[in-house]
Formats: sequence, C-alpha cells, structure tokens
Amino acid sequence: AQSVTQLGSHVSVSEGALVLLRCNYSSSVPPYLFWYVQYPNQGLQLLLKYTTGATLVKGINGFEAEFKKSETSFHLTKPSAHMSDAAEYFCAVSEGPFSGGYNKLIFGAGTRLAVHP
Amino acid sequence: GAVVSQHPSRVICKSGTSVKIECRSLDFQATTMFWYRQFPKQSLMLMATSNEGSKATYEQGVEKDKFLINHASLTLSTLTVTSAHPEDSSFYICSARGRARTDTQYFGPGTRLTVL
Repeated sequence: AQSVTQLGSHVSVSEGALVLLRCNYSSSVPPYLFWYVQYPNQGLQLLLKYTTGATLVKGINGFEAEFKKSETSFHLTKPSAHMSDAAEYFCAVSEGPFSGGYNKLIFGAGTRLAVHP
Repeated sequence: GAVVSQHPSRVICKSGTSVKIECRSLDFQATTMFWYRQFPKQSLMLMATSNEGSKATYEQGVEKDKFLINHASLTLSTLTVTSAHPEDSSFYICSARGRARTDTQYFGPGTRLTVL
C-alpha cells in the first residue's frame, strides 16, 4: 500500500524567503510523485511531477522538487516566496503505469502555506 | 494544460433528494475519470474510478448505491448523490486522464454540495 506524509499542516514564510514543504512517501513499487496546489474553493492544479529520469523536477511558478529514493522524500521548494503562493499544497503518490490499477492518486493531508509581507 | 469542467459549481438541496454532478473533459478524451471527496480543511479522498463504458470501481467504504457514477462517453462522467443527507455535504472534485496510463490527471474546479 502507498501512503504520503506531509510534515507540517501549516507553514508560514515571509515574502522573498525560501519555501520548503516536506513530503515523505511509502510505496512498495517505484512511485510516481506529484505536487498539487489548491486555491480556496477551487480544484487542484498540478505544480510538477516525477515519473522517471532526472530526480530534480522543475514545475510552474518557480517551484521545484527533488526525488530522493534513499530518504523516500519529495520535498517542494521555491527560492523566493510571493504573496500569490499562499494556498494549500498537496503531495501525492501513485503506482505508475506498470502496476495494476488505474494510477490512483493517494494524497497527503496537505500543507497550508501563508506568506507574510 | 488540459481543461476539466464541473457543473454545477455549487448546489444546495433538501435532505432526501438526489443531486447530479457533471464532470467534462473539454479538450481531450478522458478514458478514466476519478471522483474525490474533500471535507473542510482535509485532503482529498478517492471515492471511485470510472473507465468509459465500464462500471465504476469504488473504494472501500464508499456506498455504490448512494454515489452512482456513470461514464457514458469519453468526455463526460456524472456522479449522482442519491437520497442526500446532511452528512453528504462536502466538496466533490473530479479528475480526468487520457488514454495513456502515463497521462497526467487534470482536476475539475469542484462542486460544493450542501444538504439541508
């Protein structure tokens, strides 16, 4: 079975500061990993994903994440926070296409990012 | 990226009535659609997975007779909440994926259901 743990339900940073949102996963098969952002009363928008290949993945809005198999982590970072980054962020894992099933996404509990002036 | 729409965005209904929520993929063919439920300030919980032309696969603990899912075409899936009760009030989000299993899931904007 797969699971995702996001450390810190709330993270607060100053505008211009580094953003670090932590995600650890558990998977018995090579995982596909995702970060999504959700703004209030909206659906989810894909920030970035890791499938295979390069372990440092760059996404939209200046975000990036690094897949570290030895640490079973996929932390999300952004060098300089912007006020518009304030939102809920979800890390998710799926089994990938070579396992059975339909690529079900298992989500972490989410981290709410607040950005202060 | 691809666009997925949901209708309605918000619905209020009386207890005991049924509510239908539509999920459409606007610019791609969605072989697989997923329905999620999100309680306030919580994560998304997968309810069911539907493949076009097949019966939906429900997650453990989700009542298939209460949450009817139909995926009749490659661009439309519907979720019907039958005999709704206040505890069914939630944010329902669908997502859609194309033919390839490596395809990204694209999420709809969600539907806020309030049962009085």
